[in-house]
Amino acid sequence: EAGVAQSPRYKIIEKRQSVAFWCNPISGHATLYWYQQILGQGPKLLIQFQNNGVVDDSQLPKDRFSAERLKGVDSTLKIQPAKLEDSAVYLCASSLEPNTGELFFGEGSRLTVL
Amino acid sequence: AQSVTQPDIHITVSEGASLELRCNYSYGATPYLFWYVQSPGQGLQLLLKYFSGDTLVQGIKGFEAEFKRSQSSFNLRKPSVHWSDAAEYFCALNTGNQFYFGTGTSLTVIP
Repeated sequence: EAGVAQSPRYKIIEKRQSVAFWCNPISGHATLYWYQQILGQGPKLLIQFQNNGVVDDSQLPKDRFSAERLKGVDSTLKIQPAKLEDSAVYLCASSLEPNTGELFFGEGSRLTVL
Repeated sequence: AQSVTQPDIHITVSEGASLELRCNYSYGATPYLFWYVQSPGQGLQLLLKYFSGDTLVQGIKGFEAEFKRSQSSFNLRKPSVHWSDAAEYFCALNTGNQFYFGTGTSLTVIP
């Protein structure tokens, strides 16, 4: 069974530039999550999708971050414009059961903003 | 408010020694609890989970954890640590609506 796929693995940009991350969840997983993990901290939820609908985006900085999952499968997270404090690993996860199921994580996309 | 606390930021143990990583949670109802491990440059991998029933749960790689409701704890244990266990360990709480992660415990294993 293929795991959660993410790309790119690494990205270096300058502040005020834009960046996009892509995630393809495990086949059949209706729930998809984007987490931000700053060095030395635990993952923080940015947005949760159930199929192609947003369940929770309360912690997404909507002035600069956006995410979509148009067909209910893969998803894109965009940051525009980036700030220095956006330097982090962006983890995508999926789950079969939206409320109690375990999360399956991708390897993450490491963003460095200079 | 719901939260997860991992009191130990960093732990160093000798290879072959026993290990216990602490996790405390704050939640008013029955929790779903998880332990994840993250190796450098990798995503998080599930070690074990507690939903209900037996309070001692077994996981992969020889890990186990014990749920103690009276102490609001879900400590992770391993009787004999291997060098490959060096990683970051995260405790997580699922309230049925959202996952809450602790800040992690970094484990160093010395020969």
